[in-house]
Amino acid sequence: IAGITQAPTSQILAAGRRMTLRCTQDMRHNAMYWYRQDLGLGLRLIHYSNTAGTTGKGEVPDGYSVSRANTDDFPLTLASAVPSQTSVYFCASRPGTSDTDTQYFGPGTRLTVL
Amino acid sequence: GQNIDQPTEMTATEGAIVQINCTYQTSGFNGLFWYQQHAGEAPTFLSYNVLDGLEEKGRFSSFLSRSKGYSYLLLKELQMKDSASYLCAVEDSNYQLIWGAGTKLIIKP
Repeated sequence: IAGITQAPTSQILAAGRRMTLRCTQDMRHNAMYWYRQDLGLGLRLIHYSNTAGTTGKGEVPDGYSVSRANTDDFPLTLASAVPSQTSVYFCASRPGTSDTDTQYFGPGTRLTVL
Repeated sequence: GQNIDQPTEMTATEGAIVQINCTYQTSGFNGLFWYQQHAGEAPTFLSYNVLDGLEEKGRFSSFLSRSKGYSYLLLKELQMKDSASYLCAVEDSNYQLIWGAGTKLIIKP
């Protein structure tokens, strides 16, 4: 069982380019999340999905979009990357939205926008 | 607004005990989580508190006081491998996690 996988592991991207970060989980979890983590700041929620077919905006959604066509995949797209989107991106999932459900994290994608 | 506060950095000695504090102000409360994150890695779950009191798990314990908006993580018999960042997160009324910036724990021999 792989858990949660993310791709790519790291990427250097020119400003203005489009980029999709991939996230796949094999735990059949209903809820999935995208966070960014920047030095000195806590994890900040970008977008989330409580179940396949639904998505919602988190704390910092601008410049990002997501889709949830099925249970396993939750890609994050940067339509036109900007340097302020340089960050480490973590995908996470949890079985549901019950308060006792733990979030499990993927290994992260380190993105640099020049 | 929503706010989670924890110390930026702490230093402790191998074999000792350390307490990492977390205070929070959030819109609603559905539980408090502690995660461990080693440098360059993903956060991993340590503990969950929803009721007041102490939860013990081996060398790690976590305490919660909802009336005070306060939690702490207690690490006993510190080992070098415990050098990591410790993240406090509160689940708000929308079942989303609000994260503190993390406490970097440095263990010295």
